[in-house]
Amino acid sequence: EVQLVESGGGLVQPGRSLRLSCAASGFTFGDHAMHWVRQAPGKGLEWVSGISWNSDSINYADSVKGRFTISRDNAKNSLYLQMNSLRAEDTAFYYCAKDWKKTTGTFFDYWGQGTLVTVSS
Amino acid sequence: DIVMTQSPDSLAVSLGERATISCKSSQSVLYRSNNKNYLAWYQQKPGQPPKLLMYWASTRESGVPDRFSGSGSGTDFTLTISSLQAEDVAVYYCQQYYTTPQLTFGGGTKVEIK
Repeated sequence: EVQLVESGGGLVQPGRSLRLSCAASGFTFGDHAMHWVRQAPGKGLEWVSGISWNSDSINYADSVKGRFTISRDNAKNSLYLQMNSLRAEDTAFYYCAKDWKKTTGTFFDYWGQGTLVTVSS
Repeated sequence: DIVMTQSPDSLAVSLGERATISCKSSQSVLYRSNNKNYLAWYQQKPGQPPKLLMYWASTRESGVPDRFSGSGSGTDFTLTISSLQAEDVAVYYCQQYYTTPQLTFGGGTKVEIK
């Protein structure tokens, strides 16, 4: 059974940093691209960032480019999102999502339960 | 970026009746070389993450009931629930993957029971 478990969310002040993690199991992690998708409370879905199976291709939404860094460790079956210079508008549930393919990005066939990031003073 | 526009924002349908959701893209998501539409549909129930329903616009994900169907091509797409069940109450999103790696979602359509 595919499982994606996010962690690392919480309350953080504007301008500070936070690192999210996603632990994957139930599939060959290194055979798939991975993504972060966020959802502000009560709002729609926004793709944030994606990384190819071997980390050769990394992409970001314009809204986070230069502030967020995605990475992965295939040996640990883990995906990460380093979020710097956080803003109030970054407040959202952050979902780890598995891509159907190795290379970025198609559609997301599995999602984690999400971790809530709240940016507030 | 391709803008995905869904309509309506919400709809209320009686149990057993048909629900139809529209998704329009600001440019075509049909890749001519393979004749595939790069469009997916997701279902998000309250308090849960999204779940993949459909990809390539009309291919049902494994385990998705056949009352769900996807249609359309180019810029206009439809998700149809042929006979609404109580467990179908959710928000439905379309997503294009034509302009990979930049991926975009529609704004969502909330389906409720009338």
